[in-house]
Amino acid sequence: DAGVTQSPTHLIKTRGQHVTLRCSPISGHKSVSWYQQVLGQGPQFIFQYYEKEERGRGNFPDRFSARQFPNYSSELNVNALLLGDSALYLCASSSDGGTSTDTQYFGPGTRLTVL
Amino acid sequence: ELKVEQNPLFLSMQEGKNYTIYCNYSTTSDRLYWYRQDPGKSLESLFVLLSNGAVKQEGRLMASLDTKARLSTLHITAAVHDLSATYFCAVDMDSNYQLIWGAGTKLIIKP
Repeated sequence: DAGVTQSPTHLIKTRGQHVTLRCSPISGHKSVSWYQQVLGQGPQFIFQYYEKEERGRGNFPDRFSARQFPNYSSELNVNALLLGDSALYLCASSSDGGTSTDTQYFGPGTRLTVL
Repeated sequence: ELKVEQNPLFLSMQEGKNYTIYCNYSTTSDRLYWYRQDPGKSLESLFVLLSNGAVKQEGRLMASLDTKARLSTLHITAAVHDLSATYFCAVDMDSNYQLIWGAGTKLIIKP
């Protein structure tokens, strides 16, 4: 079975631009979470979506938005990019986004560089 | 606010030695996860610890959880070079469906 997939792998943008990152969860998984990982640090939670609805939101500005589609894939959008948005963006899927015990499985990430 | 602290943040050790990584968290939670990350790679799930006293083992790694002390440990037995990686613990924060992560422990195992 295919794991979590993300696209693109790498992306270079300039300040002020907009970016869209994409994620396809493991087949059968209904929950998708997005994390930002700055080099040398642990991941920071951005959003969780379950059944197309936002279930949780981390401490990120409104420039960050996301959505989940009927096939459970997801997009993360970041507007008005800042240099500090440069990071590895990780998508994780699990079969239940609630208080279940299911593990989150991570994709390979999208490396975003903002110049 | 839930905080998760790992120590040490960096560990260099010889093959064949034993060592323990510690993960402390600041508020009540009954679910703790350990992940491994190789340089430039994504996160690989190692263990899910779901209750007080839980202990799980896989190969040379063993993880335990003490919810009363708000402490989890990841013990490495007779380390081998292939275990070199960064290890993260993450705590489940029920109220917002998010995981709160430690800063990671970079482990280097020398032959």
